Amino acid sequence: QQKVQQSPESLIVPEGAMTSLNCTFSDSASQYFAWYRQHSGKAPKALMSIFSNGEKEEGRFTIHLNKASLHFSLHIRDSQPSDSALYLCAVSMGTGGADRLTFGKGTQLIIQP
Amino acid sequence: DAGVTQTPRHEVAEKGQTIILKCEPVSGHNDLFWYRQTKIQGLELLSYFRSKSLMEDGGAFKDRFKAEMLNSSFSTLKIQPTEPKDSAVYLCASSRQGRAEQFFGPGTRLTVL
Repeated sequence: QQKVQQSPESLIVPEGAMTSLNCTFSDSASQYFAWYRQHSGKAPKALMSIFSNGEKEEGRFTIHLNKASLHFSLHIRDSQPSDSALYLCAVSMGTGGADRLTFGKGTQLIIQP
Repeated sequence: DAGVTQTPRHEVAEKGQTIILKCEPVSGHNDLFWYRQTKIQGLELLSYFRSKSLMEDGGAFKDRFKAEMLNSSFSTLKIQPTEPKDSAVYLCASSRQGRAEQFFGPGTRLTVL
């Protein structure tokens, strides 16, 4: 059974700094990797996803995947107070992502002004 | 398009009661998921439907939890009988068949006294 773990559990970062969040998974056959963001009291919402090894950048956010290390990460450049939220990583076994997702427990991020 | 809707947003139940939570997925989505979210366990999958067929029924939750998909646009989650340890946020999510991105509803916060 797929195991997905996130680190750290919580993180406080000063405004304007770089934030780095980590996620490890157990099954090397995993095909799809994603980050979701959940603001307090709100629904989780997909932020970014990646299928193949390497990096993908969207604005201030970069996702990095290393399948051999069973690890992917999310980096937030110039972190803003509005980035404060629970970040959930998710992994799917299915080709094209067509399978159910297994989520990590989350990293609670606080950006301090 | 309307997002995933869930009702009620808050529910308070006495131990031993039966409660029914409701979910309407995004129109056109074939996959529907029920999750339980707590700080300690994170997101736990309760049930997964594809085109109204039950694909996965979270093993640990089988005895008192029953999800049904009455038609393609409506699902219920029944908890019977409720216990205080069931206090959590219950999230419903949907996705297009063949696509991994899940769209979540705002959740139902259940408190069992």
